[in-house]
Amino acid sequence: EVQLVQSGGGLVQPGGSLRVSCAASGFTVSNTYISWVRQAPGKGLEWVSVTYSGGNTYYADSVKGRLTVSRDNSKNTLSLQMNSLRPEDTAVYFCARGTTKNAFDIWGQGTVVTVSS
Amino acid sequence: QSALTQPPSASGSPGQSVTISCTGTSSDVGSYSFVSWYQQFPGKAPKLLIFEVSKRPSGVPDRFSGSKSGNTASLTVSGLQAEDEAEYFCSSFAGSHNWVFGGGTKLTVL
Repeated sequence: EVQLVQSGGGLVQPGGSLRVSCAASGFTVSNTYISWVRQAPGKGLEWVSVTYSGGNTYYADSVKGRLTVSRDNSKNTLSLQMNSLRPEDTAVYFCARGTTKNAFDIWGQGTVVTVSS
Repeated sequence: QSALTQPPSASGSPGQSVTISCTGTSSDVGSYSFVSWYQQFPGKAPKLLIFEVSKRPSGVPDRFSGSKSGNTASLTVSGLQAEDEAEYFCSSFAGSHNWVFGGGTKLTVL
């Protein structure tokens, strides 16, 4: 089955760090591109980053310098390392597979990240 | 990059048609045919409904259709059914390794 399964997340204090992982099955992450998309409570979706098959990653201005994506091809997994977290980073984080038509056809189940003291 | 603008809510009775708008700019919706729509139920991940403005992935009913004119894209749900009650989000590729999403529209089936 083609799917993305997420893990990690949780509660962290402002300024802290957290890691969220996204494991793929049924396809190879290094053959496509994967984005992270987040959704603050009661809000819309916000694009966060994209990692292409070649390994290049690009970020939204709102997270640049604080969030970093890494990929482990041997585990067919991407990880989102979040540092210097702010209350406004509180959201459900989704990983999603991109298509050649710049849409996202497979989504992870979502991981809750709460930044609060 | 600013979010795409969607009405916060829409509604219709079973069997009716409802259209949800999604307004962007000449840098995103107006420049690319890569507009997509997603359906999301509470507590669930979004599901791809429409891609490339008007194309449906396999398995999506043809009651869902999309269009675009200028900087505004639209999603039309025809023959409304109770199970269509959900939140709908639009998205556009915005160039330079960038995507933008809408704020979402909650569709209520009366």
